[in-house]
Amino acid sequence: DGGITQSPKYLFRKEGQNVTLSCEQNLNHDAMYWYRQDPGQGLRLIYYSQIVNDFQKGDIAEGYSVSREKKESFPLTVTSAQKNPTAFYLCASSTLWASGSRFEQFFGPGTRLTVL
Amino acid sequence: DAKTTQPNSMESNEEEPVHLPCNHSTISGTDYIHWYRQLPSQGPEYVIHGLTSNVNNRMASLAIAEDRKSSTLILHRATLRDAAVYYCILRDWGGGFKTIFGAGTRLFVKA
Repeated sequence: DGGITQSPKYLFRKEGQNVTLSCEQNLNHDAMYWYRQDPGQGLRLIYYSQIVNDFQKGDIAEGYSVSREKKESFPLTVTSAQKNPTAFYLCASSTLWASGSRFEQFFGPGTRLTVL
Repeated sequence: DAKTTQPNSMESNEEEPVHLPCNHSTISGTDYIHWYRQLPSQGPEYVIHGLTSNVNNRMASLAIAEDRKSSTLILHRATLRDAAVYYCILRDWGGGFKTIFGAGTRLFVKA
């Protein structure tokens, strides 16, 4: 089955440690995204990538880093510079040039990160 | 980016229709209206989208006001599995990657 996988589902880290969240898709999508969601809030865009070896900052990129070495993979690193990293992190993918009509982002199950 | 306004929460009885409103008074002529929903502890999923005409699919119906400044997502018979947060989103026809998800409407369904 095609889809997006994120691992792990729950992650605990000590304050000051960097942590990398995994995101893999087998939908052959060119575009991939990382969002952060805080309790009771909507999703905020962290980074997105349109093509391998290229990515752009979203609204809240500070304290995060990404890489896109393969089309199917878009890992997110939460660095110690991120002031409040405890949140629910969602990865998504889509076709590159959605015409607007049925632009659909496919989301993974998410990773819940707790920094102690 | 044009903004949308939705009620924070709504409640419905099981088996009854639900009308979820969305205001988007600054919508541009090239913005499509999309709806996603997010079940607890999951990622959002696409529900429906439209431009000017009302739309139906197996999940829901979308009613768009004639002036396009508001729209309504209609669930014809709410089930307990429809309890979720529903997001109304505007996307320009040209695509673009910055999809803004507001806080959405949390739908509670009573048995």
